[in-house]
Amino acid sequence: DGGITQSPKYLFRKEGQNVTLSCEQNLNHDAMYWYRQDPGQGLRLIYYSQIVNDFQKGDIAEGYSVSREKKESFPLTVTSAQKNPTAFYLCASRSSGYLALSGANVLTFGAGSRLTVL
Amino acid sequence: GQQVMQIPQYQHVQEGEDFTTYCNSSTTLSNIQWYKQRPGGHPVFLIQLVKSGEVKKQKRLTFQFGEAKKNSSLHITATQTTDVGTYFCAGLYAGGTSYGKLTFGQGTILTVHP
Repeated sequence: DGGITQSPKYLFRKEGQNVTLSCEQNLNHDAMYWYRQDPGQGLRLIYYSQIVNDFQKGDIAEGYSVSREKKESFPLTVTSAQKNPTAFYLCASRSSGYLALSGANVLTFGAGSRLTVL
Repeated sequence: GQQVMQIPQYQHVQEGEDFTTYCNSSTTLSNIQWYKQRPGGHPVFLIQLVKSGEVKKQKRLTFQFGEAKKNSSLHITATQTTDVGTYFCAGLYAGGTSYGKLTFGQGTILTVHP
């Protein structure tokens, strides 16, 4: 069964610690995304990657870092520089293709990781 | 940068009433997508609109894309309790340094009272 796996589902960390959230997909998708969701604020884009070894900052990249060494994997590190890291983090992927007309460019989401910083 | 504004933030309806949520982008979109997130779940794709002025229907749901490809709406006719959740629009930008960037609206939380 193809899909996106995020781990861990729940994570508790002390303030000042770096945390890495895992995102793995077996959909053979080229593009991957990380979003943060806070109550009442919708989904805000942290980082995205169109191809391996390349990624771009989204709207709220400060305090986060990513890597894209493999097509299947796009881990997100929440660093100690992130002022308010407690949130629900969603990873998503999308196949490539001509963006405007491809029927396969919609996002498939993982189940999410809920990070709580104590 | 690109922004997608979505209103209203909350909508409470009685079962059987209609519901509409609206999205507006600051710049022209390549396409717009709609997602639904059930309470405690993750967003699930509903539909994609690509062409200027496009209208698509899925049973009781009607989706529209504006002529200028900057705004969109989702209308639900005769809501049911199963429609409960948060509805998001997401705009896909294709130009320049924003190639491939998908930006979500804030979402509309729909509650339906039986």
